[in-house]
Amino acid sequence: GQNIDQPTEMTATEGAIVQINCTYQTSGFNGLFWYQQHAGEAPTFLSYNVLDGLEEKGRFSSFLSRSKGYSYLLLKELQMKDSASYLCAVTDSNYQLIWGAGTKLIIKP
Amino acid sequence: IAGITQAPTSQILAAGRRMTLRCTQDMRHNAMYWYRQDLGLGLRLIHYSNTAGTTGKGEVPDGYSVSRANTDDFPLTLASAVPSQTSVYFCASSLSAGANVLTFGAGSRLTVL
Repeated sequence: GQNIDQPTEMTATEGAIVQINCTYQTSGFNGLFWYQQHAGEAPTFLSYNVLDGLEEKGRFSSFLSRSKGYSYLLLKELQMKDSASYLCAVTDSNYQLIWGAGTKLIIKP
Repeated sequence: IAGITQAPTSQILAAGRRMTLRCTQDMRHNAMYWYRQDLGLGLRLIHYSNTAGTTGKGEVPDGYSVSRANTDDFPLTLASAVPSQTSVYFCASSLSAGANVLTFGAGSRLTVL
């Protein structure tokens, strides 16, 4: 079956760096997305990787290794507003999105 | 403001009742989706529509129906609600089907008693 794994919860300190990992096993691969979801709100798009390597966008970066079925989201200079759930999703060979359960990130002062 | 509008925001419903969740987008996106989100689980696709006039079943379609009469509207109907349909429902859209970025509505919180 198709599966996406990410940690349930992580805690980090304001100003620090945190890495949220995502591993996937899917029928084919056509891209990996990261979304941010604040409590009680809708998910919003953060990043998209389809080729191996690092994509940097301000304080956020996303890495992909297709051979390892692995991605991570790196958040630098953490701010309190980064407290949210981070959702990893993979597009399979049928272009269907498979979602992970999300990682709840708690930022402490 | 461009985006997706969902209604109602929240609803408590007696089991056995019929309920329609409304979704309207003004971005002229071709593809639309309905997801449910439950604690500890990833977003699960209920139904989708790649273009106006067509619909398809997602991962958890039982007990739900959709229609796509035009580009903008994609209502989700629960014919006879059951407690297991208590969830947060998100409507989303993308420019086209495939590996495209999704834009989500604010969600509809449904409680079935």
